[in-house]
Amino acid sequence: DAGVTQSPTHLIKTRGQHVTLRCSPISGHKSVSWYQQVLGQGPQFIFQYYEKEERGRGNFPDRFSARQFPNYSSELNVNALLLGDSALYLCASNPSVLGQGAYGYTFGSGTRLTVV
Amino acid sequence: QQQVKQSPQSLIVQKGGIPIINCAYENTAFDYFPWYQQFPGKGPALLIAIRPDVSEKKEGRFTISFNKSAKQFSLHIMDSQPGDSATYFCAASILGSGTYKYIFGTGTRLKVLA
Repeated sequence: DAGVTQSPTHLIKTRGQHVTLRCSPISGHKSVSWYQQVLGQGPQFIFQYYEKEERGRGNFPDRFSARQFPNYSSELNVNALLLGDSALYLCASNPSVLGQGAYGYTFGSGTRLTVV
Repeated sequence: QQQVKQSPQSLIVQKGGIPIINCAYENTAFDYFPWYQQFPGKGPALLIAIRPDVSEKKEGRFTISFNKSAKQFSLHIMDSQPGDSATYFCAASILGSGTYKYIFGTGTRLKVLA
């Protein structure tokens, strides 16, 4: 069984540029969440999508946006990149909108974004 | 207060020892407490989770102890092995705007010496 897959694995961008990160959830999982993990810190919640609708948003600026497609894959977009956006971006999937249950969220390996 | 405070920041134990990682929270609206293990270059992987109506849960060598009145919970790793060397995160789940999100602690870097 394929787990949560994210692409690309690594990315280097320049300040002011735009970036798109992609995530494919586990087959059958309808909920996708995005987290930002700065080096040495715990993941911070950015967005949750369920059935293609935004169901939750963390304390991130409007430069961050996301969407979910009919096949439940998702994209995270970040505009006008800042040095502080350098982080590991994690995608997590769950069968339901609740993100609870025996298995919690399953995380992908992340996309390491470096802004120079 | 939507924070989860985790300690210690790092921990070194001998093989076979029992490392203990502690977390504390303030918001009584948290209702699900998972622990995640993260290896370098990988995403966090769920180890074990507990709900606040349970005081202890064991899965293999991993045990969560939960003290609802003190708003604290901890992870114990029995018979620790070098392969357990990783960063461990506690988290708490909270409902907001019709969905649950996780609030993570700052992580504990565990090293188990052979």
